Order: sequence, then structure tokens, then C-alpha cells
Amino acid sequence: AQRVTQPEKLLSVFKGAPVELKCNYSYSGSPELFWYVQYSRQRLQLLLRHISRESIKGFTADLNKGETSFHLKKPFAQEEDSAMYYCALSEYGNKLVFGAGTILRVKS
Amino acid sequence: GAGVSQTPSNKVTEKGKYVELRCDPISGHTALYWYRQSLGQGPEFLIYFQGTGAADDSGLPNDRFFAVRPEGSVSTLKIQRTERGDSAVYLCASSLMGDTGELFFGEGSRLTVL
Repeated sequence: AQRVTQPEKLLSVFKGAPVELKCNYSYSGSPELFWYVQYSRQRLQLLLRHISRESIKGFTADLNKGETSFHLKKPFAQEEDSAMYYCALSEYGNKLVFGAGTILRVKS
Repeated sequence: GAGVSQTPSNKVTEKGKYVELRCDPISGHTALYWYRQSLGQGPEFLIYFQGTGAADDSGLPNDRFFAVRPEGSVSTLKIQRTERGDSAVYLCASSLMGDTGELFFGEGSRLTVL
């Protein structure tokens, strides 16, 4: 079965520092990968997907099939980036498998 | 409202009771999903509807869980003979078609089984 692993429960960085939220997956085929974000008191929402290859709010994520990773990166963290981040995988259709999530805390 | 609406937002019940959780998706979204999120975990897939039919119910944990979407819009998740382990946040999401890419989530229904 496919799995998504986010090894860090909490990542704490200072404002302006680079951010990397780790995500590793196990899946034998060609997965579709996503990052979802939940800001305080808001609902879970899509941040970005790997097929779009776009930068959202300064975040990027590159799919590395060799390392089976999809790490989320941002060069300069901002306080408003503080949130819970979930990496998710879809092997086909409509069933997303989520990781356990990483809390990002950006300190001023 | 424009977003996915879930009711109730909070439900406390006793072990063995029957519970219904409702989801009102975004108008025009044909796909509807139920997920369950336990403390410290990511959302876990339960069931997916395309229109009125359950296209994939492989995530339902056992036969105490059942979901319907009779008119292809509102969905109800039904849990019989609740157990303490059923305590979780139940999330509903919808999408325009079957494209998983962007799911629009509701705020969830927090179920506590005493």
C-alpha cells in the first residue's frame, strides 16, 4: 500500500530563514503528489500539486522519483506561513493518502 | 454559502448510540469525499461519491459505517453502535468532477464518543 511519511511533527524557523518540509512516499507507479495547508482556524486547502510545477506563496516542491521525495521549500519564511502542512499522494482517481502533517512555526 | 458546509460542528454521544453527520458540498461539484482525522494524524480516506453512487467505499472501517448521497448533492455519513475509537474529526470535501487535484474541504464535524 502507498504511504506518505512526514518525518517532522514540528519545524520551527526564524522569519527570513529557509524552510524545507520533508515528504517521502512509497508507491511503485507514477504518483500524483500534493501539498495541502491548514492555517489556524481555517479549513484544509490545496497549496500546490507537482504536475502544476508552479510556485504558490513562494513555496515550491519538486518530485524526486529516485529518492521518492516531494519536499516543500521556501527560501525566506514569513510569519504568515505558520500552519499545518500535509503532503498527500494519489495513485489514481480520487483517493488521497495523507501524511501525518508537519507544523511549521515561523518565529519573529 | 460558497464553501463546503458540515453539520454538526461538534457532536458528543455515548457509546452504542447512532450518529449522522451531514455534508453540503459546493454547488455543482459532482464528486464528494469523506475523510476521518484522528488526533495527530492526517486525514484518512473513507468513501468517495461521484453523483449519487459510491464509487469507492474501500476506506470505510467496518459495516457500522455507511454513507448516502441520494440526490447527488448533500451526503450523510451514518455511524451505528458508536465506539470510543470512532472519536475523530470527520471531514467532507468536494471537487468539480473526479479530479483529485483540488479538494475543497469543510470545517469538519468533531465526534466524541464517551
